Amino acid sequence: EIVMTQSPATLSVSPGERATLSCRASQSVANNLAWYQQKPGQAPRLLIYGASTRATGIPARFSGSGSGTEFTLSISSLQSEDFAIYYCQQYNKWPPLTFGGGTKVAIK
Amino acid sequence: QVQLGESGGGVVQPGGSLRLSCAASGFTFNLYAMHWVRQAPGKGLEWVTLISYDGSDKYYADSVKGRFTISRDNSKNTLFLQMNSLRPDDTAVYYCASSLMSSTWKYYFDNWGQGTLVTVSS
Repeated sequence: EIVMTQSPATLSVSPGERATLSCRASQSVANNLAWYQQKPGQAPRLLIYGASTRATGIPARFSGSGSGTEFTLSISSLQSEDFAIYYCQQYNKWPPLTFGGGTKVAIK
Repeated sequence: QVQLGESGGGVVQPGGSLRLSCAASGFTFNLYAMHWVRQAPGKGLEWVTLISYDGSDKYYADSVKGRFTISRDNSKNTLFLQMNSLRPDDTAVYYCASSLMSSTWKYYFDNWGQGTLVTVSS
């Protein structure tokens, strides 16, 4: 099983600042990595797939990078609606499809 | 517009059974793999199971293998999850999710339902 590790667990950021979230895989997943955003009481929403391709309707302030075992999700200028929990997920080798434990982006 | 709507959650005693349904619309259901993903209260996401577009292939997380069964009725655009021998650690919101954009065997989740809560408690 590929273990996904996200850091930090909580990231405190002021509105307008840049946020950088990390995701590490226990073995290479190539670029088969997705990012999701989840707000309280809501289902997750796909942000990024293929490590760097934004899903339909996702603002350009969200960007993904990385390949192999190290990945980053960046939010260039945090808006109020961006405060949420973010999960990475690998789909290179399965079953199981695996998620990271999540990073909560909180208001500083 | 893709829509996924789960139903069938509720409170069940340990050892009991429950059947979840997910009604799909807005896409050609019989062309795509479908999944169940769960989230325990206050916890992260856990993939549970996957079924291929025609129901011929099914995969399960080890935590549910032998207890849960995924199925689909393509004539009714509906996905199912039969859950038997339920345990307290199965308590979670269960989401159905689609992989409409994924290439074959590379599955991420591009659409999600609103989820249905399953509580296993005596």
